[in-house]
Amino acid sequence: GNSVTQMEGPVTLSEEAFLTINCTYTATGYPSLFWYVQYPGEGLQLLLKATKADDKGSNKGFEATYRKETTSFHLEKGSVQVSDSAVYFCALRLTTDSWGKLQFGAGTQVVVTP
Amino acid sequence: NAGVTQTPKFRILKIGQSMTLQCTQDMNHNYMYWYRQDPGMGLKLIYYSVGAGITDKGEVPNGYNVSRSTTEDFPLRLELAAPSQTSVYFCASSYGLAASYEQYFGPGTRLTVT
Repeated sequence: GNSVTQMEGPVTLSEEAFLTINCTYTATGYPSLFWYVQYPGEGLQLLLKATKADDKGSNKGFEATYRKETTSFHLEKGSVQVSDSAVYFCALRLTTDSWGKLQFGAGTQVVVTP
Repeated sequence: NAGVTQTPKFRILKIGQSMTLQCTQDMNHNYMYWYRQDPGMGLKLIYYSVGAGITDKGEVPNGYNVSRSTTEDFPLRLELAAPSQTSVYFCASSYGLAASYEQYFGPGTRLTVT
């Protein structure tokens, strides 16, 4: 079946450190891939997306590249801030899905300390 | 625009009680979704709707019911609450089919069943 696997958290790092969160997927066909972020006490919001192989999504200093050969969509940021502390979810949507349903990974909590 | 709103924010239910979680969106989105979020488990799709009068089951529909009488509203009904339904519930909406259409999430309802 289709699935999304993320690295376990929490990931704790200091301000200005480099962040990588690994995400790999299993899916039939060529899914669209997403990173959502959940700040404490809030709902999820879209951080970035990529809809085809080799696409790079970027937003707020975060980047992720759709790698079909390794079925991965790793999230990176070069210099994190305390305000980046949140839970990050990788998700996929099958292009054959007519209803836009998302399948989420378990989420990775990121804690950035001053 | 208020986006996606959910009520209540918090609720404690006794085993066997019933309740309705409300969800309203003001973006004229056709597609709406209900997810539950359990610790360390990511989000699981409960039910979804692609328009007024059209609903379908997601991955974990047992113990829940939905209706969609208007474009704006998508209530989730819990009958005979059980401790296994203790979770955080998120409602989301989306404009349509295209992969570029993101899902917008409400702030969530934290439900405890004791």
